[in-house]
Amino acid sequence: DVLMTQTPVSLPVSLGGQVSISCRSSQSLVHSDGNTYLHWYLQKPGQSPQLLIYRVSNRFSGVPDRFSGSGSGTDFTLKISRVEPEDLGVYYCLQSTHFPLTFGSGTKLEIK
Amino acid sequence: EVQLVESGGGLVQPGRSLKLSCAASGFTFSNYYMAWVRQAPTKGLEWVASITNSGGSTYYRDSVKGRFTISRDNAKSTLYLQMDSLRSEDTATYYCTRVPRRERVFDYWGQGVMVTVSS
Repeated sequence: DVLMTQTPVSLPVSLGGQVSISCRSSQSLVHSDGNTYLHWYLQKPGQSPQLLIYRVSNRFSGVPDRFSGSGSGTDFTLKISRVEPEDLGVYYCLQSTHFPLTFGSGTKLEIK
Repeated sequence: EVQLVESGGGLVQPGRSLKLSCAASGFTFSNYYMAWVRQAPTKGLEWVASITNSGGSTYYRDSVKGRFTISRDNAKSTLYLQMDSLRSEDTATYYCTRVPRRERVFDYWGQGVMVTVSS
């Protein structure tokens, strides 16, 4: 199985600040079709996960441009700028290049 | 508006069965792959099973293979998860998710349904 290593586990942030979350995979996420299936989610307290970024860098419908994704191969980053209270929660990366699909263990974004 | 509404959860004894349903609306159900993702209490997310839009192919994680069956009824816009031989480690909130085939991502999620396996 592809191991997804997310860091840090916890990320204190000041409102209005900028943060980065790292997600590293144990093998390349480049699919045989040439695409890289690495995605990012936010799970707010008491809610279902919501899609933020798909295929490395594409923002999902309604996601503000404060969120951006980058990376390639095995190394990926989610950046959040001008952090707002509604951004707090647990962030997960997901790889869907290889079966079984695997998630990172999560990064909790909290107020400093 | 895309809506996914799960039902069928509850408390069940180890070794028994349970069937989850997910009623979909707001999109053409037969055009999308679908999947189940679960989350044990206070834990992270875990993919369980996926099914193609026609239902012709299914995929499972190893720990549920042979015990769980994912299926769909496109005429009813409903996704199912038949869970047999349940174990305590299957205790989790189960989410129904939509999967655009081209993007291979869980783009919309239901509110989740809790399954507790305990004697």
